[in-house]
Amino acid sequence: AQTVTQSQPEMSVQEAETVTLSCTYDTSESDYYLFWYKQPPSRQMILVIRQEAYKQQNATENRFSVNFQKAAKSFSLKISDSQLGDAAMYFCACLRVSGTYKYIFGTGTRLKVLA
Amino acid sequence: DTGVSQDPRHKITKRGQNVTFRCDPISEHNRLYWYRQTLGQGPEFLTYFQNEAQLEKSRLLSDRFSAERPKGSFSTLEIQRTEQGDSAMYLCASSLAVKNTEAFFGQGTRLTVV
Repeated sequence: AQTVTQSQPEMSVQEAETVTLSCTYDTSESDYYLFWYKQPPSRQMILVIRQEAYKQQNATENRFSVNFQKAAKSFSLKISDSQLGDAAMYFCACLRVSGTYKYIFGTGTRLKVLA
Repeated sequence: DTGVSQDPRHKITKRGQNVTFRCDPISEHNRLYWYRQTLGQGPEFLTYFQNEAQLEKSRLLSDRFSAERPKGSFSTLEIQRTEQGDSAMYLCASSLAVKNTEAFFGQGTRLTVV
């Protein structure tokens, strides 16, 4: 069975500073994908960044980047130059791509951005 | 708006009543998912369709829950004889049938059972 663990229920960061959100996962699959989703208060979840497990290079999307450590099954999200609009719940997810394509989510990290 | 649409957005029902939620996925997406999210938790997988076929159903889903996706388009999730423990946000998501694609989520239906 796949599991995704986010050990930080809440994190705070000063505006313009950098913050790293942690995620570990467990899967027996060799082919899978990892995602970070953002869920603002009372709004729908949107994709922040994705990483293919077969790629060694860490994904980057503007101010968002990941540190993907496949052997350690770790997938952390770094947010640089934090903005007030980054305040949200962040969910790490793993997509199994054999059998049924099922996204498994972690319990989330609430990010507060302090002005 | 061509995103995932869910209806209703909010539903309050009395314990023991049946409720039905609808999800309209993005039109070209052939995969459709239902998740349940309780306060402070991540989305929990309930069930998954590829086109009209229901390919997996979570053990979390009791016999009171049923989902359909006729003709591979919109989907409905029905909960019979609702219980207070069913109170949650029910999320629908859709995706293309390619490996690295992300799921696109709707805004959810918040169910309150009183």
